[in-house]
Amino acid sequence: SSELTQDPVVSVALGQTIRITCQGDSLRNYYASWYQQKPGQPPTLVIYGRNDRPSGIPDRFSGSNSGNTASLTITGAQAEDEADYYCSSRDTSDNHLALFGGGTKVTVL
Amino acid sequence: QVHLLQSGAEVKKPGASIKVSCKASGYSFTEYYIHWARQAPGQGLEWMGWINPDTGSTKSKQKFQGKVSMTRDTSINTIYMELNRLIYDDTAIYYCARVMRMSVAGIAFDMWGQGTMVTVSS
Repeated sequence: SSELTQDPVVSVALGQTIRITCQGDSLRNYYASWYQQKPGQPPTLVIYGRNDRPSGIPDRFSGSNSGNTASLTITGAQAEDEADYYCSSRDTSDNHLALFGGGTKVTVL
Repeated sequence: QVHLLQSGAEVKKPGASIKVSCKASGYSFTEYYIHWARQAPGQGLEWMGWINPDTGSTKSKQKFQGKVSMTRDTSINTIYMELNRLIYDDTAIYYCARVMRMSVAGIAFDMWGQGTMVTVSS
């Protein structure tokens, strides 16, 4: 099966911009979705498709895709954005399967 | 509103089985696939498999084939995930999640259950 690779830890200064990446062969064929998870809570969808946000997700969250890499950008990071972020996609070897990346812990300094 | 309500935390001995439920409300139950994922303590998310609530068909990650069984009861809008032959490494939070409809190729889970903590301990 395929894999999705994320940087384990990324930090950003309050108010600055941060980009989190997700790499994998699946991303050449399928858009990634992105999830925010805070301690003790289930994941929350923040970006899906080309660059769509569910209702209630601030517009400082955006997504992009290029080749085998998907990116989640937080423009003007806030303290409440400190969380774990996961990407997900279909498995290119069998599109009935799904994958999660290993997750990126974002620290807002 | 759309809601997935999971059953409560459980403690099981190695070798036992567990059945976690996920009750859907606020939408047409048979129209959206439900997936399961788990998260071991301090670890990332691991995708496990899915069920089509309309037909009952399922698909799971190879490592869970023969270990996981997913079923549904359409009369009460509930999905079940049974995990058998529990081992210590099955200790995790188990989540059900609804797949949203998308107009482009990909997958996205727009609603998650609150999670069910399963602890395997002797």
